[in-house]
Amino acid sequence: KAGVTQTPRYLIKTRGQQVTLSCSPISGHRSVSWYQQTPGQGLQFLFEYFSETQRNKGNFPGRFSGRQFSNSRSEMNVSTLELGDSALYLCASSGLASQSTETQYFGPGTRLLVL
Amino acid sequence: AQSVAQPEDQVNVAEGNPLTVKCTYSVSGNPYLFWYVQYPNRGLQFLLKYITGDNLVKGSYGFEAEFNKSQTSFHLKKPSALVSDSALYFCAVRDSHQAGTALIFGKGTTLSVSS
Repeated sequence: KAGVTQTPRYLIKTRGQQVTLSCSPISGHRSVSWYQQTPGQGLQFLFEYFSETQRNKGNFPGRFSGRQFSNSRSEMNVSTLELGDSALYLCASSGLASQSTETQYFGPGTRLLVL
Repeated sequence: AQSVAQPEDQVNVAEGNPLTVKCTYSVSGNPYLFWYVQYPNRGLQFLLKYITGDNLVKGSYGFEAEFNKSQTSFHLKKPSALVSDSALYFCAVRDSHQAGTALIFGKGTTLSVSS
């Protein structure tokens, strides 16, 4: 079974631009979560989508948004990029019911550099 | 609020020796605990989880972890370390009271295994 895929893998943007990252979950998985990883803050939860609905949201500004499509693929968007948005963005998918006992499986990440 | 602590930024061990990576947690309900490993420029790989039942959990690549409710700990262990185990290890927790699959991560511990 194919794992979680993320595109693009690397991205360079300038301040003020916006960016869209894509995530395809493991086949059959319906829950997709996004995390931001930085050296200073570590791994932080951004949001979770299940059945096209945002289920949970972390403590990030409104510039960070996401959505999920009917095939469970997800995108996240960051508008008005800031230097501090430079990070590895990780997508994770988990099973059928978005239950708290489920294991999340992570993709390879998209490394975003904001100049 | 949920939290996870990994008290050691780095653990150094010689190949063939046992290793322990420490993790303590704080949740209001019952904890669901996870260990992940991250190799350079890669996403997170799932190692093992504790949901309920036996306090000793066995996972991938010979790793195991021991859940200790009284000490609120979930330490990762391996009887004999390999050089290839050198990586960044993350402990993560969910609270049984929470909805959804968002994980709270520790800051990570770098494991260095010398030959």
